[in-house]
Amino acid sequence: EPEVTQTPSHQVTQMGQEVILRCVPISNHLYFYWYRQILGQKVEFLVSFYNNEISEKSEIFDDQFSVERPDGSNFTLKIRSTKLEDSAMYFCASSVGSSTLEQYFGPGTRLTVT
Amino acid sequence: GENVEQHPSTLSVQEGDSAVIKCTYSDSASNYFPWYKQELGKRPQLIIDIRSNVGEKKDQRIAVTLNKTAKHFSLHITETQPEDSAVYFCAAFNSGGSNYKLTFGKGTLLTVNP
Repeated sequence: EPEVTQTPSHQVTQMGQEVILRCVPISNHLYFYWYRQILGQKVEFLVSFYNNEISEKSEIFDDQFSVERPDGSNFTLKIRSTKLEDSAMYFCASSVGSSTLEQYFGPGTRLTVT
Repeated sequence: GENVEQHPSTLSVQEGDSAVIKCTYSDSASNYFPWYKQELGKRPQLIIDIRSNVGEKKDQRIAVTLNKTAKHFSLHITETQPEDSAVYFCAAFNSGGSNYKLTFGKGTLLTVNP
């Protein structure tokens, strides 16, 4: 069964550094998402992406964040200048389309900002 | 925006007992309600979902009920087993809008004692 994959599984970075988190959605899926989960808390929506543009973003997704689909398979989340409070698990998810609503999550990238 | 409340935050049951987790949502336009199971350090796994045109859905030991009028939905697990121990998240989604974000509840830590 196809799954969403993410790399790296764990990223440690210093405050102020840029990080890029990578995701490979399920191949026939058209909608892509990033969520984050601070340790012990609920999953929070960051951004949705369809047809090579952002569909919606949350208030968390400020100017420090960007997303890109650089080729036909990868979907990336970039944080330009990391802050301590960006430390969290970042999940990528994908879904087929507007009539098929199930979102499937990747294994996550644990980002630790020191 | 949508707000999802989930109760209880922790639930401990004996193996073989039933477990019920309840969620309420605020946006009457939400029409899709998935439940995710998250084991420690793992990705959220979709275990069952329900759409607003259905009042109940069952899959083996798991069932979900939806009351659109009251804007609440519940997860029922029967004959619980130790491997059911995990954090369970409910979520709500509006497929009729221009966004496709899941709004999650805060999660329920279910512990099934052997």
